[in-house]
Amino acid sequence: DSGVTQTPKHLITATGQRVTLRCSPRSGDLSVYWYQQSLDQGLQFLIQYYNGEERAKGNILERFSAQQFPDLHSELNLSSLELGDSALYFCASSVGGSGGRNEQFFGPGTRLTVL
Amino acid sequence: AQSVTQPDIHITVSEGASLELRCNYSYGATPYLFWYVQSPGQGLQLLLKYFSGDTLVQGIKGFEAEFKRSQSSFNLRKPSVHWSDAAEYFCAVGEQTGANNLFFGTGTRLTVIP
Repeated sequence: DSGVTQTPKHLITATGQRVTLRCSPRSGDLSVYWYQQSLDQGLQFLIQYYNGEERAKGNILERFSAQQFPDLHSELNLSSLELGDSALYFCASSVGGSGGRNEQFFGPGTRLTVL
Repeated sequence: AQSVTQPDIHITVSEGASLELRCNYSYGATPYLFWYVQSPGQGLQLLLKYFSGDTLVQGIKGFEAEFKRSQSSFNLRKPSVHWSDAAEYFCAVGEQTGANNLFFGTGTRLTVIP
């Protein structure tokens, strides 16, 4: 158990809908990362927040957005869902937010299925 | 731009045999290098990491990896594979400066046969 929790574990929805994925980082970690794992794209970095502020952005679609709240939990919002958004979404957390040496601890993921 | 290549999509080894999983990276400077393992239905677990210094690094579960700058490689090895090692293995690159996000390879699925 990494100490990172993600809810829900599974999510099934229809095209065009909007969903929210939630992540609670390990106690003491200030940085949260979101990754998408799909069959055709592999594991891709989406976005990072550090202590409530956006720190880095990767291949995140405009239909997707995220935020980190004062209690440091984070939410990833996916809207106007398409079939291709079906994937496993991971959250990770680390103590620091930059410099590359901060080990990231991954949650178990949320599996999103868009029908 | 950073990139990571894992040329082997799937590897099958017999239990007790040795294992080597290949990883090549492309990065402007010396990167930070990581190996993660993903068991079915699980998140990613860090096996080992390289930042600097000794190019042979030891990790958990009996794994080790060797950084070879001349070959831009960071191959993962284990002398004797156990059935519980069956999983997907990901090599990743991190930047020394700036953001802390990781760039992952496409993964290698390991099957262990008795």
